Amino acid sequence: EIVMTQSPATLSVSPGERATLSCGASQSIADNLAWYQQIPGQAPRLLIYGASTRASGIPARFSGSGSGAEFTLTISSLQPEDSAVYYCQQYNSWPPQTFGQGTKVEIK
Amino acid sequence: EVQLEESGGGLVQPGGSLRLSCAASGFTFSGFWMHWVRQIPGEGLVWVSRITSDGSRTAYADSVKGRFTISRDNVKNTLDLQMNSLRVEDTAVYYCVKGALYFESWGQGTVVTVSA
Repeated sequence: EIVMTQSPATLSVSPGERATLSCGASQSIADNLAWYQQIPGQAPRLLIYGASTRASGIPARFSGSGSGAEFTLTISSLQPEDSAVYYCQQYNSWPPQTFGQGTKVEIK
Repeated sequence: EVQLEESGGGLVQPGGSLRLSCAASGFTFSGFWMHWVRQIPGEGLVWVSRITSDGSRTAYADSVKGRFTISRDNVKNTLDLQMNSLRVEDTAVYYCVKGALYFESWGQGTVVTVSA
């Protein structure tokens, strides 16, 4: 089973600033990585798949990069509605598809 | 618009059974793999089970293998999860999810509480 590790656990960013979230895999997963956003009290929402492709309806301020074992989710200009927990998930080796433990993004 | 609506959650004693259902609409249900993913309150996401579009192949997390059974009805557009021999550690919000390898659309979840 591939282990996904996210950092930091919590990120506090001012509105309009850039937020950078990291996700690492215990072995290479090529670009078979997705990112999800979970706003408190809501279900997760797909943001990015294929490491860098935005899902339908996702604002352009969200971007993903990386391949192999190291990945990044960048929110270029943080908005108040971006306060959420963000999860990465690998689908290179399955089952099981595995998730990271999440990064909580707080608005300063 | 894709809609996934879970039902069937509730309070059950350890060792008991529960059957979750998910009603799907807004897409061609028979064309997609479906999954159950769970989340312990305040914690992360854990994949539970998957079924292929025609229902011919299933897969389970090791933690539920032999206790849970996933099934689907492509006429009624429903996805089910039969949960037997429930344990306290199965307590979680269970999400019905559309997608193949990554998870495109999620229901709002149904809460399962296993407690004496």
